[in-house]
Amino acid sequence: QKEVEQNSGPLSVPEGAIASLNCTYSDQGSQSFFWYRQYSGKSPELIMFIYSNGDKEDGRFTAQLNKASQYVSLLIRDSQPSDSATYLCAVNPRGDKLIFGTGTRLQVFP
Amino acid sequence: GAVVSQHPSWVICKSGTSVKIECRSLDFQATTMFWYRQFPKQSLMLMATSNEGSKATYEQGVEKDKFLINHASLTLSTLTVTSAHPEDSSFYICSASVWGSGNTIYFGEGSWLTVV
Repeated sequence: QKEVEQNSGPLSVPEGAIASLNCTYSDQGSQSFFWYRQYSGKSPELIMFIYSNGDKEDGRFTAQLNKASQYVSLLIRDSQPSDSATYLCAVNPRGDKLIFGTGTRLQVFP
Repeated sequence: GAVVSQHPSWVICKSGTSVKIECRSLDFQATTMFWYRQFPKQSLMLMATSNEGSKATYEQGVEKDKFLINHASLTLSTLTVTSAHPEDSSFYICSASVWGSGNTIYFGEGSWLTVV
């Protein structure tokens, strides 16, 4: 079992819709969780991090964490074509090392 | 967020030569920096963890004699790809951890290495 799993996609949503990206992790002791966005040929950029169970909102983005289910998700409201990118879920299982999922490619079409 | 700068952004080198990539934290001190490699359409793979003033910790399968990492100061870590071969062509990305509120990791812009 991979430490961090994501559906590779592509996930296609129309402009203005809600995009839902999911991630599961295997290490029950993981404490911090991150979502990064990566455009093709570019370095990842941090969107959000979450530590506590529940929802955390930042603008159009909402991260959701369920530690009991070992599940973290990212919702993007009012999706825009500029949101089209690969979204990487990252988990910090111990120390300061981040383990990345393979990423989900999101396509927002006009 | 914190700024991590990487140089060069892209480099082309001949097979058998060595290439150095620099990673700098511009507005904070980074006791720990990380080096990742990403092949096209694949995820980031952690190569090594670099701690200031000590030897780097390499991930399984990464040759430490081939990928030399030096973290001589709190703002600079370097990755040297020695005796580069075409299969080393990849996107190399450094990152630094910022502890305290957030405990987040920020990435440099990445360096494209092409070995011909």
